[in-house]
Amino acid sequence: GENVEQHPSTLSVQEGDSAVIKCTYSDSASNYFPWYKQELGKGPQLIIDIRSNVGEKKDQRIAVTLNKTAKHFSLHITETQPEDSAVYFCAASIRGTASKLTFGTGTRLQVTL
Amino acid sequence: NAGVTQTPKFRILKIGQSMTLQCAQDMNHNYMYWYRQDPGMGLKLIYYSVGAGITDKGEVPNGYNVSRSTTEDFPLRLELAAPSQTSVYFCASSTGTGDSPLHFGNGTRLTVT
Repeated sequence: GENVEQHPSTLSVQEGDSAVIKCTYSDSASNYFPWYKQELGKGPQLIIDIRSNVGEKKDQRIAVTLNKTAKHFSLHITETQPEDSAVYFCAASIRGTASKLTFGTGTRLQVTL
Repeated sequence: NAGVTQTPKFRILKIGQSMTLQCAQDMNHNYMYWYRQDPGMGLKLIYYSVGAGITDKGEVPNGYNVSRSTTEDFPLRLELAAPSQTSVYFCASSTGTGDSPLHFGNGTRLTVT
């Protein structure tokens, strides 16, 4: 089955700096890669996703890049703010198979003032 | 809009006791899921359902049971609680079409002692 590895497990950045979280996947058939943000005491929430037919996607201060050849994808957060502090999960699946979403182990991001 | 509602928020069980974790969604989603989240382990799929009357096992189904009698509700049953079931449980729903995002509840923190 699919295996998703996520690094780092914790990340501390100063407000205004950029943060990068990296994930690798094992199944070359995977073609959908969402990112979820989990705030303290809440369930994860989708913040951005990318499909295998594009290499990069941006939404304001967040962006995701995908390298299909190397089987890795990354989340980039620019101009970090205290409200970006949360746990971030990457995931991978084959489109159309909702039950097969495999999550990474999470990255705890702390943005310090 | 309430989204996905989980009850209770916290519960302590003794070994061997049973309980039902409740999950309800008001978005008319066909797909519903149960995940467990353990520290440093990401989210693991326990059971999922693609519609009323249809359920299937996920990655870690042992020790759990589910039913789906209505579109709105998807309860998770623990029959003989064990310490290994200490975890945070998340219910989620989606339209299930293509790459539809998962909508998570806020979780139930269960401790088995």
